[in-house]
Amino acid sequence: GAVVSQHPSRVICKSGTSVKIECRSLDFQATTMFWYRQFPKQSLMLMATSNEGSKATYEQGVEKDKFLINHASLTLSTLTVTSAHPEDSSFYICSAGYNGLAVEDTQYFGPGTRLTVL
Amino acid sequence: QQQVKQSPQSLIVQKGGISIINCAYENTAFDYFPWYQQFPGKGPALLIAIRPDVSEKKEGRFTISFNKSAKQFSLHIMDSQPGDSATYFCAASMEYGNKLVFGAGTILRVKS
Repeated sequence: GAVVSQHPSRVICKSGTSVKIECRSLDFQATTMFWYRQFPKQSLMLMATSNEGSKATYEQGVEKDKFLINHASLTLSTLTVTSAHPEDSSFYICSAGYNGLAVEDTQYFGPGTRLTVL
Repeated sequence: QQQVKQSPQSLIVQKGGISIINCAYENTAFDYFPWYQQFPGKGPALLIAIRPDVSEKKEGRFTISFNKSAKQFSLHIMDSQPGDSATYFCAASMEYGNKLVFGAGTILRVKS
């Protein structure tokens, strides 16, 4: 199946700094990428949807100035957490999809990035 | 109307037993219902998915049962194994945009 990678897998940063997380589709071109956030023992919450070359669509309650999403190419999307604070500590997961995927497999998920803000 | 309600929150099953997880939805525009398996510290992986035009789909030990009129679907894991111990999420989406709405998750523990 298609593979989605994320980098880094873990990041620890100081409060007030910015952190960039990369999401890559390794063997297919992703027309759409999704960013999720997951707190311990909770479900995945969709943060935003991005299409290559256009602005991301953010879910209600997600600060677009704090979580900057760039989908510059069909294989790469980035999430930048700006001026991170301890409450931003979470597990961030991306997924990628494209038109033409098999019916049973509309999104491929990355392995996630654990962000810890001290 | 966008919610997907999942139960139970946690489940303990003996090795060899059947694990059953249930989900219900309200939005009749949903037309794709996948189940994901997630191990700690990993991203979710697709297990099996169904469209509303069929009432059941089986892949190996995993079966989805779908009841369109009741707006419910369930995951059955036959001959449950300790390696199946994980968190399971149901989800739903409308084909257009493929945005997934996830259930709250079920923590499954299979005792050996």
